[in-house]
Amino acid sequence: KAGVTQTPRYLIKTRGQQVTLSCSPISGHRSVSWYQQTPGQGLQFLFEYFSETQRNKGNFPGRFSGRQFSNSRSEMNVSTLELGDSALYLCASSSGQSYEPTNEKLFFGSGTQLSVL
Amino acid sequence: AQTVTQSQPEMSVQEAETVTLSCTYDTSESDYYLFWYKQPPSRQMILVIRQEAYKQQNATENRFSVNFQKAAKSFSLKISDSQLGDAAMYFCAYRRKISNFGNEKLTFGTGTRLTIIP
Repeated sequence: KAGVTQTPRYLIKTRGQQVTLSCSPISGHRSVSWYQQTPGQGLQFLFEYFSETQRNKGNFPGRFSGRQFSNSRSEMNVSTLELGDSALYLCASSSGQSYEPTNEKLFFGSGTQLSVL
Repeated sequence: AQTVTQSQPEMSVQEAETVTLSCTYDTSESDYYLFWYKQPPSRQMILVIRQEAYKQQNATENRFSVNFQKAAKSFSLKISDSQLGDAAMYFCAYRRKISNFGNEKLTFGTGTRLTIIP
């Protein structure tokens, strides 16, 4: 079974631009979560999608948005990029279909390293 | 809000020896999950071990075991017979246990970089 796939692996953008990151979950998984990892703030939760609906959201400005498609693939978009958005963006998937979703194991991708110049 | 603290930014251990990584957390919840994740240079977060708070018995996975002290809110990871492949960043993480709709977020500590000395 293929793992969680994130594309691209690396991305360089300039301030003010926008960017879209992609995440393909493990086949059959319907829940996708996004995390931002920076040296200063560590790992922080962005949002989680299940069956094309956002179920949970972290404390990030509205410039950060996401969506999920009917095939469970998810995209994350950051508009009007700032230098502080430079980070590793990690995606994780899980089945999302049990009665206790928090009991499910999360499978992470290798992330997209975004550099904002 | 829940917080997770890892007070050891870096640790090193001789190959084949045992090392313990520390983690403390703060929560007002009585039922929750605790995790240790490993992040090697490949950047992929890999689950090492998981502990359910209501279980008194410490979790073990081969060479990895935890010392879970619920009253002290402490959750340390012991790696026995350290191997070169264990070199990585290790993150302690907390997740609330809820049984309703939604996949609760993971709250991570700042990580401990583990170096294995050959």
